[in-house]
Amino acid sequence: EVQLVESGGGLVQPGGSLRLSCATSGFTLGNYEMNWVRQPPGKGLEWVSHISSSGSAIYYADSVQGRFTISRDNAKNSLYLQMNSLRVEDTAVYYCARDLGWGSGFDYWGQGTLVSVSS
Amino acid sequence: QSALTQPASVSGSPGQSITISCTGTSSDVGGYNYVSWYQQHPGKAPKLMIYEVSNRPSGVPDLFSGSKSGNTASLTISGLQAEDEADYYCSSYTSSNTVVFGGGTKLTVL
Repeated sequence: EVQLVESGGGLVQPGGSLRLSCATSGFTLGNYEMNWVRQPPGKGLEWVSHISSSGSAIYYADSVQGRFTISRDNAKNSLYLQMNSLRVEDTAVYYCARDLGWGSGFDYWGQGTLVSVSS
Repeated sequence: QSALTQPASVSGSPGQSITISCTGTSSDVGGYNYVSWYQQHPGKAPKLMIYEVSNRPSGVPDLFSGSKSGNTASLTISGLQAEDEADYYCSSYTSSNTVVFGGGTKLTVL
């Protein structure tokens, strides 16, 4: 059974940093491209970042470019999102999502981890 | 990248059919056959319902179908059921090597 489990969320002050992790199981992570998608409380979905299966291709939404860094460790079956210079508007539930193929669709999602940025 | 445009809400009675539209531009919806649709129940993670405009993942009922014409994609649910009541989001790959979502549509089953 495919499973994605996010962790690392919490309350952080504006300007602070947080590192999210996504532990995967039930499939070979190295065969899949992965993404982070976020959802502010009561609002819609926003794609955040994409990483290719080898990590050689990485893309970011304009809203997080230069502040967030996506990475992966296929040997540890894990995906990461390093978030720096956090802003109030980064408050959201963050989901990791498996890619059918870049652009094709996200076929499996984790349960999400809440990041709250507030003073 | 601006969000794709979806109606804020749609409604229908059990057994009826409804269609949710998703309008973008030639740089996203109109330029690629990479439109996806997601269903999200309150407090749950999104679930993929349609990928690459009209393909259904295994396990998704054939009551759900997708199509595209020009810069507008559509999700049709034929034969509404109570459990279909949820939020629905479209998404598209873009020419900037990003993905953009629609604002979401709340489906109410009357």
